[in-house]
Amino acid sequence: KAGVTQTPRYLIKTRGQQVTLSCSPISGHRSVSWYQQTPGQGLQFLFEYFSETQRNKGNFPGRFSGRQFSNSRSEMNVSTLELGDSALYLCASSIWSETEAFFGQGTRLTVV
Amino acid sequence: GQQVMQIPQYQHVQEGEDFTTYCNSSTTLSNIQWYKQRPGGHPVFLIQLVKSGEVKKQKRLTFQFGEAKKNSSLHITATQTTDVGTYFCAGPDQSGNTPLVFGKGTRLSVIA
Repeated sequence: KAGVTQTPRYLIKTRGQQVTLSCSPISGHRSVSWYQQTPGQGLQFLFEYFSETQRNKGNFPGRFSGRQFSNSRSEMNVSTLELGDSALYLCASSIWSETEAFFGQGTRLTVV
Repeated sequence: GQQVMQIPQYQHVQEGEDFTTYCNSSTTLSNIQWYKQRPGGHPVFLIQLVKSGEVKKQKRLTFQFGEAKKNSSLHITATQTTDVGTYFCAGPDQSGNTPLVFGKGTRLSVIA
């Protein structure tokens, strides 16, 4: 079956702009989580969506937001981009929250 | 909050040597999961352990879950260059604040 698909794979944005990233989970998976990964910082949890509802949110400013659609596809949005937002953004889908997570290839965002 | 610690942070080994990474949780876990991320790639699920004292093997990789279900280890026998990457452990967040709590990972380098 198809894996987790994230688009776009690479993005270059200017400070102050906003960006929307997309994630299509594995069919049948209802939980979608987003992580930010920067060198040396591991996986920083952003938020989790389950059946279109945000279940959890990590310690990130309000500039980071997301949503999930009825087909389980999810988007995350970052407004007023800062240089420090440059990172690899990973989406992970799972059947339930605590079960194994399947990651997409990520979107590498560079803010200049 | 719940913390998952991994040691060592980095490990450099000669090809053919063994490698072990350790994972310790501040709370008892219902399960422990291991992931591998190759350089430039995304985390890939390796295995999940559920039972106290459980040991599972995948070819040269041996995974153990501690009796108290608070620690785990991954041992690689006779490392190969294909083992290069960062190994993460993760466990369900007992507080429910996140779906999974990830360790910061152990980066393995293999010198041929």
